[in-house]
Amino acid sequence: AQSVTQPDIHITVSEGASLELRCNYSYGATPYLFWYVQSPGQGLQLLLKYFSGDTLVQGIKGFEAEFKRSQSSFNLRKPSVHWSDAAEYFCAVGAGTGTASKLTFGTGTRLQVTL
Amino acid sequence: EAGVAQSPRYKIIEKRQSVAFWCNPISGHATLYWYQQILGQGPKLLIQFQNNGVVDDSQLPKDRFSAERLKGVDSTLKIQPAKLEDSAVYLCASSLSGRGNEQFFGPGTRLTVL
Repeated sequence: AQSVTQPDIHITVSEGASLELRCNYSYGATPYLFWYVQSPGQGLQLLLKYFSGDTLVQGIKGFEAEFKRSQSSFNLRKPSVHWSDAAEYFCAVGAGTGTASKLTFGTGTRLQVTL
Repeated sequence: EAGVAQSPRYKIIEKRQSVAFWCNPISGHATLYWYQQILGQGPKLLIQFQNNGVVDDSQLPKDRFSAERLKGVDSTLKIQPAKLEDSAVYLCASSLSGRGNEQFFGPGTRLTVL
C-alpha cells in the first residue's frame, strides 16, 4: 500500500526567506504526486502535481516541487515566502488504475511566517 | 464556476446520536470522494463514488457510516450512532473521471461529538 511521510510537523520562516517542505512517499509503481494547501477553515487547494516527464514541476503562487525517484521524495520549494503563505501543506500520492484515483495524504506541515 | 458545496459547516451532537452531511459536487464531475480529517492528521479517504456506484469504501466503518449518491450528483454521508472518535472535519471532493485528475475540495463540515 502507498504511504506518505512529511517529517516536519511545524516550520517557521521569516517573510522573504526561502522555503522547502519535505515529502517522502512509498509506492510500488510510478506515482502521481500532489501538493495541497489548506488555510484555516478552508478546503484543500491544489498547488501542483507530478505525473511524468520533467521532474521539476511549477505550480501556483510561485511554488515548485522536484520529483527525485532515487530518494522517493517530492519536496516543495518557494524562493521567497509571503505572509499569506502561512497555512497547512499536505503532500499526497495517487494510486489506482483505470478511472479510480485514490489519494493518500501525509500528516501535513504547518507553516508559520514571521514578519 | 461554482465549487464543491457542503452543508452544514459545523455540527455538534451527543455521542450515540445520528448526523448527516450533504455534498454537491462541481457540475460534470463523475467522481465524488468523502474524506475524514482528524485534527493533526491528513485527510483519509472514506468512500469514492464513480457516478452513483461505489469504487472504494475499504476504509469506511460500515457498522456506523453509510453514504449514498443517488442520481450520480449530490451525496450524503451519515453516521449512526456517532462516537467520540468521529469528531473530525468531513471533506467532500469531486473530480473528472480518470486517474490523476485534480480533486476539488469543499470547505468541509466540522463535527464535534460530545
